[in-house]
Amino acid sequence: GAGVSQSPSNKVTEKGKDVELRCDPISGHTALYWYRQSLGQGLEFLIYFQGNSAPDKSGLPSDRFSAERTGGSVSTLTIQRTQQEDSAVYLCASSAGQTLTYGYTFGSGTRLTVV
Amino acid sequence: AQKITQTQPGMFVQEKEAVTLDCTYDTSDPSYGLFWYKQPSSGEMIFLIYQGSYDQQNATEGRYSLNFQKARKSANLVISASQLGDSAMYFCAMREANTGNQFYFGTGTSLTVIP
Repeated sequence: GAGVSQSPSNKVTEKGKDVELRCDPISGHTALYWYRQSLGQGLEFLIYFQGNSAPDKSGLPSDRFSAERTGGSVSTLTIQRTQQEDSAVYLCASSAGQTLTYGYTFGSGTRLTVV
Repeated sequence: AQKITQTQPGMFVQEKEAVTLDCTYDTSDPSYGLFWYKQPSSGEMIFLIYQGSYDQQNATEGRYSLNFQKARKSANLVISASQLGDSAMYFCAMREANTGNQFYFGTGTSLTVIP
């Protein structure tokens, strides 16, 4: 597609439930990133995928968070046993490569509310 | 230490005036890239401008320019002739050559353009 697509745009879930957030990057972009943005805060790095390399999971806040990227394209971020502190906007971004000049193209985000 | 520091949580500017949004960064990597993103209330992150650490000239993109002072490690964004549509959050970000996996973001500056 023309841009990075994220779904759903909004998700309200009950505490303790599992949720899946989807990201469809720009076609041909080899790098894919997940960030979390809490209300009024900056962006917190979660996980990074580059081609077929092992993902950089250093930003995942707990083992309740996991992500996968199938076929080097679509990615799913899964949060198990959601907690209220997981409420945030989850942003996905893709990039054409790792060189410095490549910026990110962001999706519009998924606003997750845990009640 | 914070990689990116934005010390202005909120800024106001009169329509048609110029405004400077501050950003300082911290890195020991001689090769890095600096980025500014705009996030309107709709939530999407929009790339504005890029400055490479070895670039001799300050970057410019239309009404946006980056005041790059390498020795001071600052990369301030200047918006000229402000428009009402410039009201948004603005994030400064950095990507290092040696840790190219992720961007480091500041906490953002909320800009309000007053008619």
